[in-house]
Amino acid sequence: DVKVTQSSRYLVKRTGEKVFLECVQDMDHENMFWYRQDPGLGLRLIYFSYDVKMKEKGDIPEGYSVSREKKERFSLILESASTNQTSMYLCASSLFGQANEKLFFGSGTQLSVL
Amino acid sequence: KNEVEQSPQNLTAQEGEFITINCSYSVGISALHWLQQHPGGGIVSLFMLSSGKKKHGRLIATINIQEKHSSLHITASHPRDSAVYICAVSGWLGETSGSRLTFGEGTQLTVNP
Repeated sequence: DVKVTQSSRYLVKRTGEKVFLECVQDMDHENMFWYRQDPGLGLRLIYFSYDVKMKEKGDIPEGYSVSREKKERFSLILESASTNQTSMYLCASSLFGQANEKLFFGSGTQLSVL
Repeated sequence: KNEVEQSPQNLTAQEGEFITINCSYSVGISALHWLQQHPGGGIVSLFMLSSGKKKHGRLIATINIQEKHSSLHITASHPRDSAVYICAVSGWLGETSGSRLTFGEGTQLTVNP
C-alpha cells in the first residue's frame, strides 16, 4: 500500500514565524498535492507538483510556497504565518495525476497559529 | 452555488440502518470520488467511478452521468462507519482542469449502537 507521511500531526506556531510542513510518499508517484481543510469550506487546493522542481498554483496559493527537490518529498512553506492560516493541512499523491486515478492522503497536520 | 453539493450535511443513524449520502455536481466530469475521513484527519479513498455502480463490502456507490448525481449507500451500518464522507469530482470545472479535484463539504455520519 502507498504510504503518504506528514511530518507532524499537530503544530503550534506564532504569528510571523516561518513554518515548514513536510510530506513524503513511498510509491514513486509523479503528482503531489497540498490541501487545506476548513469547516464549511471543504478541501481546497493550495499547490500541486507534477514532477521534481515543478509546481503549479492551486485555488488558494496566497501566503504559501512549495518545494519539491526530490520526487518523494513535497514541502509546504508558510513564509510568515498568520492566524488565518490556522487549519488542517493535508498532503496527497497520485501516480500520474490523471482524473481517473486514486488519490492517497496523509493523516493531516493540524496547524494552529497564535 | 457550490459546484459539488452533498446532502445531508449531518446524518445520525442507528446501528443496522441503511444509509444514503447524495452528491450532485454542476458540470461534466471525468471521474467522481468518494472519500472517508475518520476523526483524527486521515482520508481514505473508497471509490472512484465514472459510470454505473461499484460495490465494496457493505458500501455501494452509484453514479448517474445524465442527472449529474451520485449516491453512496451503506448497508447494515455499524458505529465504526461513523466518519465524514466526502464527494469529489475531477474534470473540466471552469478554471479547474484534469486531475484537480473539487470537493464537496462532506457529510458527517454518526452511527449509534
